Parts: sequence; C-alpha cells; structure tokens
Amino acid sequence: AQSVAQPEDQVNVAEGNPLTVKCTYSVSGNPYLFWYVQYPNRGLQFLLKYITGDNLVKGSYGFEAEFNKSQTSFHLKKPSALVSDSALYFCAVRAPYSSASKIIFGSGTRLSIRP
Amino acid sequence: ETGVTQTPRHLVMGMTNKKSLKCEQHLGHNAMYWYKQSAKKPLELMFVYSLEERVENNSVPSRFSPECPNSSHLFLHLHTLQPEDSALYLCASSQEYRDPEGLGLKGTQYFGPGTRLLVL
Repeated sequence: AQSVAQPEDQVNVAEGNPLTVKCTYSVSGNPYLFWYVQYPNRGLQFLLKYITGDNLVKGSYGFEAEFNKSQTSFHLKKPSALVSDSALYFCAVRAPYSSASKIIFGSGTRLSIRP
Repeated sequence: ETGVTQTPRHLVMGMTNKKSLKCEQHLGHNAMYWYKQSAKKPLELMFVYSLEERVENNSVPSRFSPECPNSSHLFLHLHTLQPEDSALYLCASSQEYRDPEGLGLKGTQYFGPGTRLLVL
C-alpha cells in the first residue's frame, strides 16, 4: 500500500534563511510526487511535481524539491525564505499505473517564517 | 486564479436544511473530485468522476450525494447534515492521460478555493 509521511507538524525559519520541509513516501514502482501549498482560507495550490527525469524539480515561487529514490524522500526546499511563504504545505504521492483516486496526501506541515 | 471555482465560499446550515455546493472548472479537464478537509485530519477524498472511473469513498455518509452533469461541473448535494460535517470542502480537477511510455495514467490535480461549511 502506498503512503506518504510529513514528519514535522511545524517548521520555523527566520526570513532569509534556507528552508526544508520533509516528505517521505512508500509506493511500489517509481512514484509520482507532488507538493501543494495552502494559504489561510484558500484551496490547495499546486507547487511542483516529479514524474521522471531530473531528480531536482523546480516549481513556483522559488521552491524546489529533490527526489531521492534510495531514501524514498521528496523534500521541499527554498534557498531564502520569505515571510509570505508562511502557509500549510502538503506532500502527495501517486503510484504509477494507478487511477486518479489513488493519490495520497500527507498530513501537512505548517511553515512559519519569522521576520 | 486556478481555473477551478466553487460557490458558495461560505455556508451555514441547520441540520434539517438541504443545500448544494457547486464546482466549475474552466481548464478543459476530464476528471473532477470532492475532498473534505477537517482540522487535524488528513485530506479525505470523497468522490471522483473521470473518464476512467467514478469512485465513491465507502466511508462517506449517504447524506452527501454527488452529481456530475458534464465534465466541467460538479455538485455536492447536502441533506440532514450533522455538526461533525462542518469542514472545508474542496473541489479539484485534473486532466488524466495515458503516459506514452506506458507508465499508466498521469494527471495533476488543481484545486478550487473551497467552501467553508458550518452545520449548526
């Protein structure tokens, strides 16, 4: 069975410092991996995805994520955090050959950037 | 902003009311979804409509009933809800397509802003 874990409920970072939001997964075969961001009172907004190819994926707002097959991880990163990056971040995984209904979302990590 | 709109954005209803949530996608996608997002709980997939499948989460109570009249519109009909049904209801859509390299179906879900539902 596929699963995804976000081990940190909350991540606190000072503005200007690099940030990392962790995600690990378990799936048979090569996974499809996604990151979404949710601002207060809004829906989930797509940030980036990994399907195949380069392990480093670049997305919106300066975010990037690195697919690490050996560690089964897909951590979200940004070199320099902004206060406006404060939001709830969700990692999601979908197994290859699976239907649309089989995407699994993590429990979310709240990112707080202090000025 | 994302091409998926939801109305109303906020809804307060009594347990005996009947209401409907509406979702419309302007992206030409072929699959639509309803999710429930409650505080302190993982995102819960409720229903899926796509060319390949219609999925109903068996744990969703019958007081929620979906309707998908066409590929652009999705409704969630609500009746005799309970206070524990209060949550953010999110609609999403995706374009599901077969990977040319034979890796099955692919698609990225795009979400609407949600309807914040409060059941009194």
